[in-house]
Amino acid sequence: GAVVSQHPSWVICKSGTSVKIECRSLDFQATTMFWYRQFPKQSLMLMATSNEGSKATYEQGVEKDKFLINHASLTLSTLTVTSAHPEDSSFYICSARDPLTTSGGANEQFFGPGTRLTVL
Amino acid sequence: KQEVTQIPAALSVPEGENLVLNCSFTDSAIYNLQWFRQDPGKGLTSLLLIQSSQREQTSGRLNASLDKSSGRSTLYIAASQPGDSATYLCAVPGASYDKVIFGPGTSLSVIP
Repeated sequence: GAVVSQHPSWVICKSGTSVKIECRSLDFQATTMFWYRQFPKQSLMLMATSNEGSKATYEQGVEKDKFLINHASLTLSTLTVTSAHPEDSSFYICSARDPLTTSGGANEQFFGPGTRLTVL
Repeated sequence: KQEVTQIPAALSVPEGENLVLNCSFTDSAIYNLQWFRQDPGKGLTSLLLIQSSQREQTSGRLNASLDKSSGRSTLYIAASQPGDSATYLCAVPGASYDKVIFGPGTSLSVIP
């Protein structure tokens, strides 16, 4: 299957700083990537849909000015948590859709390994 | 609005037992259903994907079934092993197909 990577795998930062998380599709081009957040012992919640060359679409309740998404190329999307606070500490997971994949259907998504963000 | 639930929330079994995890969804008009495994602090590992035209998929000791009309899917794990201990998530596409809606997960512990 297709491979999606994330960097960094974990990050610790001070309150008020900004943190950038990268999501890369390694062996396919992804016109669409997705960013999820997962709090401890909870399931994944979609934050936003990242579209190459256009603005991201944010889910209700997600602050677009706080979580900046850039999808500048077909293999890279970045999520920047601006002015991070302790309540932003979470596990952030990205996924990418391979438009050429037909085995699982048009909407099969491939997930990255996640980034653990801890804001002190 | 599609909603996904999973029962039980947690399950503890002795090694060697066969077990069944359940997933329910409210909107039966799904394109496919996917089962994932998540180890603590890790990302998702895709286990099985069942397309809407299929009734089941098998991979090793895992068997997933899908009954669209009743809005249910089950994940059957045969001869459980301690290494199977993890959280198991089911997921279905949202209304726009692009989005994936996850269930809350079942936390499985297999006791040696």
